[in-house]
Amino acid sequence: NAGVTQTPKFQVLKTGQSMTLQCAQDMNHNSMYWYRQDPGMGLRLIYYSASEGTTDKGEVPNGYNVSRLNKREFSLRLESAAPSQTSVYFCASITTRYNSPLHFGNGTRLTVT
Amino acid sequence: LAKTTQPISMDSYEGQEVNITCSHNNIATNDYITWYQQFPSQGPRFIIQGYKTKVTNEVASLFIPADRKSSTLSLPRVSLSDTAVYYCLVGESGGSQGNLIFGKGTKLSVKP
Repeated sequence: NAGVTQTPKFQVLKTGQSMTLQCAQDMNHNSMYWYRQDPGMGLRLIYYSASEGTTDKGEVPNGYNVSRLNKREFSLRLESAAPSQTSVYFCASITTRYNSPLHFGNGTRLTVT
Repeated sequence: LAKTTQPISMDSYEGQEVNITCSHNNIATNDYITWYQQFPSQGPRFIIQGYKTKVTNEVASLFIPADRKSSTLSLPRVSLSDTAVYYCLVGESGGSQGNLIFGKGTKLSVKP
């Protein structure tokens, strides 16, 4: 049981390049989330998907797009990367079962030069 | 959305009990309180969750007063390996999981 898997683990982009961060969970969870964490800072919510087929903006959605491809997968796309998007990106999932916690992946460390 | 406020940092020594308090004045009726621990270069991991009164598991206790406007995470006899950032998260459990917003967390440093 892998839990939440994020790929890649590390990525370096030049300003203006695009890329997609992948996230998959094998726990049959309904809701999935993308957070970013800047050095020494807390987690900020970028986008979330409460269920398959739906996505909603979080606290800091500008510069990002998401796709809930199916129940398992939730991808985050940077269309034109900027140095301000240098961060560690965490994907998380949660079931709608009563009293359940978020399960996080190990993160993607992204550097934009 | 229930906003949370925690101390930015705390220091402790090995073997002491540590209590971290989180304020959430506008908590909603359906909201649960969940605490997470995060080590450097890792994703947060679940520690404990509660709705009211006291919850205890093998690693921590969670105290929630009757008005539920705050909660206290208690770590008994901390060790160096408990050095981490601790987050309190308030959100609806069951039903549609909506906007789960974290606060800034508390950086706990345990010294020998």
